[in-house]
Amino acid sequence: DAGVIQSPRHEVTEMGQEVTLRCKPISGHDYLFWYRQTMMRGLELLIYFNNNVPIDDSGMPEDRFSAKMPNASFSTLKIQPSEPRDSAVYFCASSLGGDYLFRYEQYFGPGTRLTVT
Amino acid sequence: AQSVTQLDSQVPVFEEAPVELRCNYSSSVSVYLFWYVQYPNQGLQLLLKYLSGSTLVKSINGFEAEFNKSQTSFHLRKPSVHISDTADYFCAENNAGNMLTFGGGTRLMVKP
Repeated sequence: DAGVIQSPRHEVTEMGQEVTLRCKPISGHDYLFWYRQTMMRGLELLIYFNNNVPIDDSGMPEDRFSAKMPNASFSTLKIQPSEPRDSAVYFCASSLGGDYLFRYEQYFGPGTRLTVT
Repeated sequence: AQSVTQLDSQVPVFEEAPVELRCNYSSSVSVYLFWYVQYPNQGLQLLLKYLSGSTLVKSINGFEAEFNKSQTSFHLRKPSVHISDTADYFCAENNAGNMLTFGGGTRLMVKP
C-alpha cells in the first residue's frame, strides 16, 4: 500500500484566499484524522471521521475551517478565508476500525506545509 | 482534562550513548500509551505501544518503554543511540473521547 497520501506537499497562499488540502487514507481504514502541527501549539487534532461521518470536530479552530469526507478514499480540509496564523503543517492520518484499540495505531501522511502570507 | 507531559523539549546525546526520553501521563483509569517518532519532513510513525500485559514494551530498532502506574510514567529508553535516531519523539495516551492526546514532543539530537 502507498500509505496515506496528502496533496499538495507545500502550499503558499495570500491572506484571504481559499485553501484546500487533500487526503487519501489507506484502503480499508475506517478512521480518518486531520491534525495541525505548529511550534507554539504542538500537534492538535482538528477533526476525525468514522466511516466517512464526522464524529468530533471540536478541535476545528473557527468557522473558517471545514472538512468533508465524501467517500472512503478521499477527504478535504478547507480554509476560507485563510489567515497568516493558519500557517502550519497539516497532517492526515488513518486507522483501522473493528477492535477499537486499532484506532490508536494511526498512520500519518507526509503532511502539507501551509504558508499564508 | 487529560494531558501528557514530556519534560524535555530537546535531548542532545552523543552517538552510542544511552538515552531516556521522559513522559508522564495523567489518566487515572484504564490507559493505553504510545510513542510515535517523527523524522524530518515526515509524518509520525508508531514506535511502540502499551495496551496491557507486560509493562516493558520494545520496538524493532532497540527502543523500549516501561509503563509505571505508580509514577504515571512511560519513559522511552535506548541503551546505545545512532545518528539515524535523530528525530522528534511524541508520547501519547488515549483520552476520554477514545482518541489520542499527544505530548509536546522531545527532539532527540544525536551527535557524532
